[in-house]
Amino acid sequence: QVQLVESGGGVVQPGRSLRLSCAGSGFSFTTYTVHWVRQAPGKGLEWVAFISYDGRNKYYADSVKGRFTISRDNSKNTLYLQMNSLRVEDTAVYYCARDAAAAAATWVFDYWGQGTLVTVSS
Amino acid sequence: DIQMTQSPSSLSASVGDRVTITCRASQSIGIYLNWYQQKPRRAPKLLIYAASSLQSGVPSRFSGSGSGTDFTLTISSLQPEDFATYYCQQSSSTPLTFGGGTNVEIK
Repeated sequence: QVQLVESGGGVVQPGRSLRLSCAGSGFSFTTYTVHWVRQAPGKGLEWVAFISYDGRNKYYADSVKGRFTISRDNSKNTLYLQMNSLRVEDTAVYYCARDAAAAAATWVFDYWGQGTLVTVSS
Repeated sequence: DIQMTQSPSSLSASVGDRVTITCRASQSIGIYLNWYQQKPRRAPKLLIYAASSLQSGVPSRFSGSGSGTDFTLTISSLQPEDFATYYCQQSSSTPLTFGGGTNVEIK
């Protein structure tokens, strides 16, 4: 079955960096666009970024543009989110999510990981 | 950016009730509208995509309608497992945006 497993969350001070990972299994990872979506404690969902199946196309929310970098290693079936210059307002559960169509981008999230919590605090 | 506005933000209902949640986009998005269900401490789950298409495995009591700027999620007969928060999301253009959520509580 399709599985997405995030890791790398934790507590970090403002201004520092953190890298999240998301391991995909149970599907052909190399043919799917994948996304990061976050949820601040007690708040709604916020799309963060996506990367196309081949890594050529990347889009970011304005709130993270220039600070976060999405990447993928298809040889390892793994998605990454490098987060630099972290702010208190980046505190959230970060989910990776699969796009609903292979070799395309529907921008619909059909499978989600369980999430990893990032806390930015001094 | 396309703003998504859901209403109500919360509602109380009983098992067996018909529940309707609305979502309005700040500009026309065609049928590029999706609905998700989220239970506490769980990841969201896709219910409806392209405004009215039921995701595989989702019970038929869930349905979606609408196009352009106004959309509706309907639960025809609320079940105990349906108490959750529901989000709409537009997939028409980046940045992808969600509604603020509707919390469906037990009356």
